[in-house]
Amino acid sequence: DVKVTQSSRYLVKRTGEKVFLECVQDMDHENMFWYRQDPGLGLRLIYFSYDVKMKEKGDIPEGYSVSREKKERFSLILESASTNQTSMYLCASSLAAGGAYGYTFGSGTRLTVV
Amino acid sequence: GQNIDQPTEMTATEGAIVQINCTYQTSGFNGLFWYQQHAGEAPTFLSYNVLDGLEEKGRFSSFLSRSKGYSYLLLKELQMKDSASYLCAERPGANNLFFGTGTRLTVIP
Repeated sequence: DVKVTQSSRYLVKRTGEKVFLECVQDMDHENMFWYRQDPGLGLRLIYFSYDVKMKEKGDIPEGYSVSREKKERFSLILESASTNQTSMYLCASSLAAGGAYGYTFGSGTRLTVV
Repeated sequence: GQNIDQPTEMTATEGAIVQINCTYQTSGFNGLFWYQQHAGEAPTFLSYNVLDGLEEKGRFSSFLSRSKGYSYLLLKELQMKDSASYLCAERPGANNLFFGTGTRLTVIP
C-alpha cells in the first residue's frame, strides 16, 4: 500500500521554537507539497518541490522554509513558531506532470503553538 | 488568479441523492479533482475530470463543463459514512492543485 507518512500526528510547541515537520513518501513521486488547512480557508500551499534540492514558494511561505535532500523526504521548518501557525499541516506527493490521481496526502500533523 | 467556489454546508437524507456544485476561474486548466475528507483525516481522491462530461464510479459521479467553469459531484444512495467534507480542486498547470474551501455534507437518518 503506497503511503505518505508524516512523522507526528499531534505536536505542541512553544512560541519561538524551531519546529521540524517531516514527510516521507514511498511512491517514487517527483513532486512533494506542504499545505496548511484552517477552518473557512481551506488548503493553502506553503511550499512545493519538483525535484531533489529544488523548492518553490507557494501562496503563504512567510515564516516557513523547506528542505528536500532526498527524493522521498520533504521537511517543513518553522523557523520561529508563532501562535498564528497553529494549524493542520498536510504533506502530499504526486507524479511529475500530474496524471489522473492528483495528490496522495499524508495523515496530517495538527500543530499547536502556545 | 485562481478562484474556486463551492457551498459551505449541505444536509441530505440517508438513501437520497445529493449534488455538490463547484465553479472555478483559473488562469489555465489541466484537470478538475474531487476529494473526500472525513473530520480529522487526510483528503482522499474521489474523481478526476479533464474532458467535458460525466465520469461515473459506483455511487459517485463527477461532471465537468470547461466552457462554463463548472463541475459537480453527485452522490447516490447516501450512507451515513458519506458525512464528510468534499473538496473541489483544479489543476491550472502541470502539477499544483488549487483547492476550494470545501463543502461539509451531513447525512441524516
